[in-house]
This record gives sequence, structure tokens and C-alpha cells, in this order.
Amino acid sequence: QITLKESGPTLVKPTQTLTLTCTFSGFSLSTSGVGVGWIRQPPGKALEWLALLYWDDDKRYSPSLKSRLTITKDTSKNQVVLTMTNMDPVDTATYYCAHLMIASRGVIIPFDYWGQGTLVTVSS
Amino acid sequence: EIVMTQSPATLSVSPGERATLSCRPSQSVSTNLAWYQQKPGQAPRLLIYGASIRATGIPARFSGSGSRTEFTLTISSLQSEDFAVYYCQQYNNWPAYTFGQGTKLEIK
Repeated sequence: QITLKESGPTLVKPTQTLTLTCTFSGFSLSTSGVGVGWIRQPPGKALEWLALLYWDDDKRYSPSLKSRLTITKDTSKNQVVLTMTNMDPVDTATYYCAHLMIASRGVIIPFDYWGQGTLVTVSS
Repeated sequence: EIVMTQSPATLSVSPGERATLSCRPSQSVSTNLAWYQQKPGQAPRLLIYGASIRATGIPARFSGSGSRTEFTLTISSLQSEDFAVYYCQQYNNWPAYTFGQGTKLEIK
């Protein structure tokens, strides 16, 4: 049974750095084909993909946010950490982490399991 | 970066009727397209990937079709629990896994 859970601050000030942790169970990030991604959703708005980390430490970032994002993993703790620098009120959103799998024959199963999300508010 | 255009923004359908949602990427994504359902206060749920493959546990009334730049999600006979917001997402063109703006499916 795969589960993911996001944790981190609920309130950050403008210009601060946000650090979010995704703690998961039911899979290992050392298993070939596995990935964990981060997605956010401002209140009342659409989903926005942020970053993705694969089992082999391959990392991908949204082009529009790449300069502000860093994604890392701690395989022993079953955690993926996302940092976002220079936070702004427009970054207020619910942040989700989600599981991804590259199955047999290279078929990608995107974001089939999600955490419950964590609301981060950026305000002074 | 690929732009995903979903239409309509809001769709009003009666229970038991068929709903058809559209997603059009600004360039070809082959069949690397997924559909998600999101209800208020909940995380999205994967419905369809590979344009037409139902995810585990998804009822057969949900079906996806299309390729390249035109995709459709069809819900054959709407149940009360199907009224939600639906998002498409492409995962063909790196580095971005772009989402559409969503279609809200509401009860008529």
C-alpha cells in the first residue's frame, strides 16, 4: 500500500526559503522506474507541476521555476525534499507530492498516488 | 513549453447522461496524456494514462481517446460522485509535465 505525506511550514514570509518534505511508504526510491514529483495548486486555481526526481537521481524542474527549486532524496528515510527560494505571496498554494512509475516497455504511469497536500501561505 | 487547452471550462450534464471533455495540447504529445479527477478538498486522482489506459480501480464508464493534439475524456453515464473538476496533463515533452486549466463538471 503506497502512501505519501507532505510536511513543512504552513506560513512563510516573503523572500524566505520554503522546505517541504514528502515522506512515503509502500515503495522505495532505489527501485528502478520509480519517481516522486511535486505539484502545487493555488487556492481555486489549476494544478502546476514543479519538479520530479527519479530513482537514479535524475531531476527535472519546471522551466519557469527552475532557478528557485531544488529536489533531493534521502532513500534511507524514504523522503523527498523540495526547497523553493525567494518565496512570494503568489506562491501561496497547496503543495502535493506524488508517486510516478515507469512500468514495463517504458510506459509511464504518472502520479498515480498522491499525498493529502499541505497548504503554504506566504505573507509578512 | 506546451500549452494544454481544456474545453469547456464548465460542463453542465444531468446524472445518467454522457459527458465529453476535451484537451488540446499546443503541439503533439503522442499518447503521453493523463486525466485526473479532483473533488473539493481532495488530492487529484489518476483516471487515465497513455491517453486511453484506465488506472487501477477506475470504473469502465471512464474512457479516454485521442493522440497527438486532440484528446477526449468520456464519462458514459454520469453518477453523482463524478461531478468534480477534471484535468489533463501531458508528460511527453520534457522538462515540463504540463497540466491543463481544468473542466468543472457540474450537475445540470
